[in-house]
Parts: sequence; C-alpha cells; structure tokens
Amino acid sequence: QVQLVESGGGVVQPGGSLRLACEASSFTFSSFDMHWVRQAPGKGPEWVSFIRSDGTTKYYPDALKGRFTISRDNSRNTVYLHMNNLRSEDTAVYYCAKHFYASGSYALDIWGQGTMVTVSS
Amino acid sequence: DIQMTQSPSSLSASVGDSVTITCRASQTISKYLNWYQQKPGKAPNLLIYAASTLQSGVPSRFSGSGSGTDFTLTISSLQPEDFATYYCQQGSSPGATFGGGTRVEMK
Repeated sequence: QVQLVESGGGVVQPGGSLRLACEASSFTFSSFDMHWVRQAPGKGPEWVSFIRSDGTTKYYPDALKGRFTISRDNSRNTVYLHMNNLRSEDTAVYYCAKHFYASGSYALDIWGQGTMVTVSS
Repeated sequence: DIQMTQSPSSLSASVGDSVTITCRASQTISKYLNWYQQKPGKAPNLLIYAASTLQSGVPSRFSGSGSGTDFTLTISSLQPEDFATYYCQQGSSPGATFGGGTRVEMK
C-alpha cells in the first residue's frame, strides 16, 4: 500500500545538525509534491517545509528559513530534511507527508509514522 | 502568514452526541480549509478537504462547511472511535498552517 517511512531521528546536542529521510513506496513519487511537518510534545502540527515534485521550488515558514533545507532524490523515492543549528524548541516528532491538491485546496493525504528528534545536552 | 484559530480547545461528549468544532482563519481563504483527525501516537489523518469534501473512506457522519474565514466540522453521531483530536489546516497555499486543535473527550 502507499507508504512513507521516515528515518534519521535521534538525540542531538544544541547547535548540532541532523538529516532526516523519508522513503516513499507504492506510488509515483516523482509526480507528487511533498511536505515535512513537525509536532512538539503535546502541541499541534507545525508545517516545516514543502518541495515541488521536480525539486525546483521549496517553501519554508519564515521562522525556519536558513536553518532547515528540504531536498529530494526522485531516483531513490526519498525526500530529505537537513536541519542545522538545532535548538531545544526543535524537539518534536517529524513527519513527511504527501501533497494532495484537490478542488483547489492544498492538503496532506498520506503521512509517515514520524521520527523523533530530541535536542538536548 | 495566515493564522488558524480553533474552538473549543477541548470538549466532552457522549456516544451518539452531535459535536461541532469551529475554525477561523486570520484572512479569507475561500473554501480552502482541510480537517484532520489524530489519535495518540499516530499521524494526523485527512478527513475533509476544500471545506466540505469527504476524503475517501471517511464516514458520512463527518461533515464540514464554511467559506471565507469561518468554518465548522460536525460529527453527527459520535462513535467510540471518534474520540480524538481534530485539527484544521488552511489549504490556500503550500504553507500548511494548522489550528491549535480540539480534543474530543468522552464524557
């Protein structure tokens, strides 16, 4: 079935870096835009980044620009999130999600199981 | 950036009750509003997109309405599996801003 599997989470010290990966299966990955969304413990989801299917266009919230970078490798059916200069407030479960555009609305219809990132000394 | 505000933040209800959750956008987003259900330890699950269209497989007891800045999610007859947290998300741009969530608890 359609599936997204994240990996790469773990414990990192403040100021450190981490690269998350999300591998897709059972759909034509190269045809779909993708997102990363995070969720801090006890909080709601927070959108982190978006990348077009061909990798040419990327979006980030202003608060994360410059520290987070999204990329993808369509030959590997994988989207990545590179995170630099990590802070305690970046501690969260990080999800990748498939973009779903229907009736003019941008939505996220398939989500991975998430990978936990803990920023702590 | 568009801000999304949900109310209430939590509610208590019984099986069979009808419940309504509201979501307000800080600026007009036409009908581009999506709703998700999330259960503990799981990823959010898309329920409704474009304000009122049910995602495939979602029971018809879920319904959505609204346009512009004000939207509602209604569960017409609450079932045991519906106790969860619900989030709205603005769908007018690729930056997917979410609301703060509404936790539906068993009374």
